[in-house]
Amino acid sequence: GDSVTQMEGPVTLSEEAFLTINCTYTATGYPSLFWYVQYPGEGLQLLLKATKADDKGSNKGFEATYRKETTSFHLEKGSVQVSDSAVYFCALRGGYQKVTFGIGTKLQVIP
Amino acid sequence: GAGVSQSPSNKVTEKGKDVELRCDPISGHTALYWYRQSLGQGLEFLIYFQGNSAPDKSGLPSDRFSAERTGGSVSTLTIQRTQQEDSAVYLCASSSPGGGPPDTQYFGPGTRLTVL
Repeated sequence: GDSVTQMEGPVTLSEEAFLTINCTYTATGYPSLFWYVQYPGEGLQLLLKATKADDKGSNKGFEATYRKETTSFHLEKGSVQVSDSAVYFCALRGGYQKVTFGIGTKLQVIP
Repeated sequence: GAGVSQSPSNKVTEKGKDVELRCDPISGHTALYWYRQSLGQGLEFLIYFQGNSAPDKSGLPSDRFSAERTGGSVSTLTIQRTQQEDSAVYLCASSSPGGGPPDTQYFGPGTRLTVL
């Protein structure tokens, strides 16, 4: 079945550092890929998505590129802020809209 | 417009009791999902409803868990004879292939269940 593997946290970075959170997936066909974010005390919300190979999703300075050859969708940001502290979930949507999530990576940015 | 709502926001119950959790999806959304988020466990898929199709129950952890969706709208997740390991935040999400960015799930705030 479908699966998503993402790096376990927590990840602790200083403000303005470069962020990479790795995500790889296993799926049949051509899934859509997502990053969701959960800020402290808030619900899950979509951060960015990509629906086909080589697509780049971007939002709030975050980017992720759909790499079919490496089955990856790594999340990157060039300069993190304290306000980016949250839990980040990689996810894929396979057939019939069923969505599979990774375990989540907690990011803590310190000033 | 209104987002996904869930009730109650918090539920404390005693081991062995039954609980019902409610989800009101965004109006018009045809797909509805239930997930469980346990401390340190990430997001665990429980069940998925799509329109009038038979639900995908492949994520339900035991036969104590069941869910229904009435009239293609409101959904209720029922946990019978609750156990302490059922303590978690139960999240509901809805989506619609015909509205908004395709494939996007909209999540409710969750119900925090504590089984004593």
